[in-house]
Amino acid sequence: ILNVEQSPQSLHVQEGDSTNFTCSFPSSNFYALHWYRWETAKSPEALFVMTLNGDEKKKGRISATLNTKEGYSYLYIKGSQPEDSATYLCAFPYAGTYKYIFGTGTRLKVLA
Amino acid sequence: SAVISQKPSRDICQRGTSLTIQCQVDSQVTMMFWYRQQPGQSLTLIATANQGSEATYESGFVIDKFPISRPNLTFSTLTVSNMSPEDSSIYLCSVEGGTGDYEQYFGPGTRLTVT
Repeated sequence: ILNVEQSPQSLHVQEGDSTNFTCSFPSSNFYALHWYRWETAKSPEALFVMTLNGDEKKKGRISATLNTKEGYSYLYIKGSQPEDSATYLCAFPYAGTYKYIFGTGTRLKVLA
Repeated sequence: SAVISQKPSRDICQRGTSLTIQCQVDSQVTMMFWYRQQPGQSLTLIATANQGSEATYESGFVIDKFPISRPNLTFSTLTVSNMSPEDSSIYLCSVEGGTGDYEQYFGPGTRLTVT
């Protein structure tokens, strides 16, 4: 059974703090890794698709890195804002298919 | 990207009853997916629904419990049958992104509570 793990499960940070989360995934048969942001009662929103070892992608204050050899990806948020409060999910397409294996997510709360 | 809507957004149901969740996409897509997130658990794929064929169910999910319809390329339904409190979950539908990187677009989910 393939396992995708995320840590921490939840965290509270103060507005302006920088933070990061981890997604661990199987390092064999890697095709891509997806990061999503999921706010309550809204659709999960795609943040990044990571495909190449050493990838680093950035969108505003949010960035992500990828290490396929050791099987992890980091998501960084610089200068957290209350609107960043959400659950951040990583998803691993199984064996080159659309069958996603999700981590349990990291629930972020940014306090004003 | 695709815009996806789901109905209902939430419901409270009694055990033993059934609920049908609708998923509507604003463009034609081949593959649609249904996921479930039980409290404290990961999003888990229930089944893949392709138009014109029977849905393909993942291990642990069966058609009698979660019948799926896919009458056309923009619509699908998932029924949760004979519900028990363990079926209390968020149910999400999604569609293929068509980007080549297995990206998916998701609906806003249906929050189901079974009492």
